[in-house]
Amino acid sequence: DSGVTQTPKHLITATGQRVTLRCSPRSGDLSVYWYQQSLDQGLQFLIQYYNGEERAKGNILERFSAQQFPDLHSELNLSSLELGDSALYFCASSTTGTYSYNEQFFGPGTRLTVL
Amino acid sequence: DQQVKQNSPSLSVQEGRISILNCDYTNSMFDYFLWYKKYPAEGPTFLISISSIKDKNEDGRFTVFLNKSAKHLSLHIVPSQPGDSAVYFCAASYGNQGGKLIFGQGTELSVKP
Repeated sequence: DSGVTQTPKHLITATGQRVTLRCSPRSGDLSVYWYQQSLDQGLQFLIQYYNGEERAKGNILERFSAQQFPDLHSELNLSSLELGDSALYFCASSTTGTYSYNEQFFGPGTRLTVL
Repeated sequence: DQQVKQNSPSLSVQEGRISILNCDYTNSMFDYFLWYKKYPAEGPTFLISISSIKDKNEDGRFTVFLNKSAKHLSLHIVPSQPGDSAVYFCAASYGNQGGKLIFGQGTELSVKP
């Protein structure tokens, strides 16, 4: 158990809908990262928040957005869903976001299926 | 543009022998490298890391080697155990991009009793 929690574990929805994925980092971790793993791609970095502020952005679609709240939990919002958004979404956390020399601890993931 | 590559999608090894997983990268700005292990239906689990100022790091049965001139790293598992069977991902990051990790495609290791 990494100490990172994600809800829900599974999510099935229809095209055009909007969903929210939630992540609670390990106690004491200030950084939260979101990654997407689809069948034909490896783990792709989406976005990072550090202590409530956006720190780095990857190839995140404009239909996707995220935020980190004062209690440090984070939410990833996916809207106007398409079939191709079906994937595993992982959240990870680390102690700092300033330097790269820190490992990230991953949650169990949310499996999103868009029908 | 795949900056981190794991060219072997799978590897099969006998229990007790050495497993060697390889990873190549193209971006010379990467300064921190990590290996993660992933079981089905679980998130990746951190195994071991190495910074670019070192060429070797050991933790129990796991050793990571870094060859900066060849832009190559490898993970050695000795001795391999059936419980090591999983997908192994290498990842890289560089300081001015915060902590975001660039992952390889993964290598599925099967350790046979």
